[in-house]
Amino acid sequence: GAVVSQHPSWVICKSGTSVKIECRSLDFQATTMFWYRQFPKQSLMLMATSNEGSKATYEQGVEKDKFLINHASLTLSTLTVTSAHPEDSSFYICSASLAGQDAGELFFGEGSRLTVL
Amino acid sequence: GQNIDQPTEMTATEGAIVQINCTYQTSGFNGLFWYQQHAGEAPTFLSYNVLDGLEEKGRFSSFLSRSKGYSYLLLKELQMKDSASYLCAAMDSNYQLIWGAGTKLIIKP
Repeated sequence: GAVVSQHPSWVICKSGTSVKIECRSLDFQATTMFWYRQFPKQSLMLMATSNEGSKATYEQGVEKDKFLINHASLTLSTLTVTSAHPEDSSFYICSASLAGQDAGELFFGEGSRLTVL
Repeated sequence: GQNIDQPTEMTATEGAIVQINCTYQTSGFNGLFWYQQHAGEAPTFLSYNVLDGLEEKGRFSSFLSRSKGYSYLLLKELQMKDSASYLCAAMDSNYQLIWGAGTKLIIKP
């Protein structure tokens, strides 16, 4: 199956700093990638849809100036949490689907656990 | 509004069978997904149903009734490694996935 890799898996940072998370499709081209956030014991919450070569589409309530998404190539999307605060601590997961696949099966990255001190 | 309901937690015995139910209400419908998520890991795809009926895939089967807005995931011959959260997600008319909160399945020896 298709492989999506996410890096870093774990990151601890000080409050006020910025953190960048990378999401790569290793063996396929992903025109669309999705960024999710998951708090403990809660479901996945879609943050934004990242489209290659264009601006990301953010879900309601997600600050686009705080969560910067860049999808510069067909295999790489990045999420930058700017001026991170403790409440941004969460599990961030990216996913991608194969272009043209009817089922819309999502392939997830391993996830990145962010802890803001 | 759009909504997915599934039980918060279920317990079953190793070797037994368990059925995890999911009901959904979405604006339009383009399929029902089941994902497995082990603690601290990302979800992995289990099944996809878009037509009514039962889809069998090894020890796991998934059922869909569109008229009832209902699906279930059936796990047979339970193994300890099946202990995980099982996420139900429905795709709406805009091809957006609406996620349930997940059902934590605990397997006891």
